[in-house]
Amino acid sequence: SQQGEEDPQALSIQEGENATMNCSYKTSINNLQWYRQNSGRGLVHLILIRSNEREKHSGRLRVTLDTSKKSSSLLITASRAADTASYFCATDRGTSGSRLTFGEGTQLTVNP
Amino acid sequence: ETGVTQSPTHLIKTRGQQVTLRCSSQSGHNTVSWYQQALGQGPQFIFQYYREEENGRGNFPPRFSGLQFPNYSSELNVNALELDDSALYLCASSRAIGDEQFFGPGTRLTVL
Repeated sequence: SQQGEEDPQALSIQEGENATMNCSYKTSINNLQWYRQNSGRGLVHLILIRSNEREKHSGRLRVTLDTSKKSSSLLITASRAADTASYFCATDRGTSGSRLTFGEGTQLTVNP
Repeated sequence: ETGVTQSPTHLIKTRGQQVTLRCSSQSGHNTVSWYQQALGQGPQFIFQYYREEENGRGNFPPRFSGLQFPNYSSELNVNALELDDSALYLCASSRAIGDEQFFGPGTRLTVL
């Protein structure tokens, strides 16, 4: 079963605009990780945010975590055509091996 | 590039056959996890190995088995292949349990 659910399922924007993707989950977590995947290839790790953190930045990426609402968001600022990909959130509950539970992803299309 | 490598890149098998997929983890990483990703879905956790011992298993039947070697590389074996086993198989390594998981490029398995 999927722990995380991304919203929206698909997002289409113009280059230079900001893109926001949301993730909701159901149980308590140890950390939450965001990944990017291009055309069915391997996953690229973007950011890990731990349960005691509220916000993290990495370049044009900003991730927030609200454990009271069991939700996270990924903001990509000043998007580029190269950001076109599927984005997944994955939760680590910290139990029985740090398995990641993924949602079904948000397909982001950035139009030049 | 994450430093995680997988082989082969693509594989075609027929129903009932057996397959072995291989993964070399990133240098300094002692934890390896395997995931199955069906088309259009998020990855599903198969199992994790930590220092050559299984450290958590997802909802997969026993015909999915694995090994981790002293150099922390790993194998995923699938017996009695079924059509539904067609998927992208992803390997991820991490420095420690609960840390970021870095994924390889995956092996695309097609079962005919």
